[in-house]
Amino acid sequence: SQQGEEDPQALSIQEGENATMNCSYKTSINNLQWYRQNSGRGLVHLILIRSNEREKHSGRLRVTLDTSKKSSSLLITASRAADTASYFCATENYGQNFVFGPGTRLSVLP
Amino acid sequence: GAVVSQHPSWVICKSGTSVKIECRSLDFQATTMFWYRQFPKQSLMLMATSNEGSKATYEQGVEKDKFLINHASLTLSTLTVTSAHPEDSSFYICSARGALPETQYFGPGTRLLVL
Repeated sequence: SQQGEEDPQALSIQEGENATMNCSYKTSINNLQWYRQNSGRGLVHLILIRSNEREKHSGRLRVTLDTSKKSSSLLITASRAADTASYFCATENYGQNFVFGPGTRLSVLP
Repeated sequence: GAVVSQHPSWVICKSGTSVKIECRSLDFQATTMFWYRQFPKQSLMLMATSNEGSKATYEQGVEKDKFLINHASLTLSTLTVTSAHPEDSSFYICSARGALPETQYFGPGTRLLVL
């Protein structure tokens, strides 16, 4: 069964604005990863955050993890039209399979 | 970084035929590969876990006789969709586990259209 749940399912913003996506999960995890997928393409790995970490940054991306609430957020700052894509969180539990959330479809309007 | 390829990138076939999709790890050995299916505007759903030299482990609801998986070497896993039907039309993505258990490298996907 799918573990992660993401919200919003779809998000539309203007270029330059920040985009925040949330992911919740149900069981213990070793790490949580965020991926981007452009329409009809494969997955691009964005960032991995381990269960003992609370926040990570990578360029315009900021990821937080709250294990007590079993949730994570992905913030994209100063969004660009090229950020338009679907974003998925995936949880991994100590070498077991990845479980993907349903994803957030982000549209950045020029 | 590690690269995983898939072939073909897209395929159109007639209903009732079988289609084979290859997944290769190009610069590393992968003892474990995964096969996912993704329907339009939906997330990736794990179909099966493929271990080199042993039988694949299928997720609940995935027919093992319909989706044949072979992982004959440390760099190649194949998924064969047997007797394909239009409802099998989907985007199939493989991934390969790297040296660290937490890492998975994803292929670019194969789009299957069954007419």
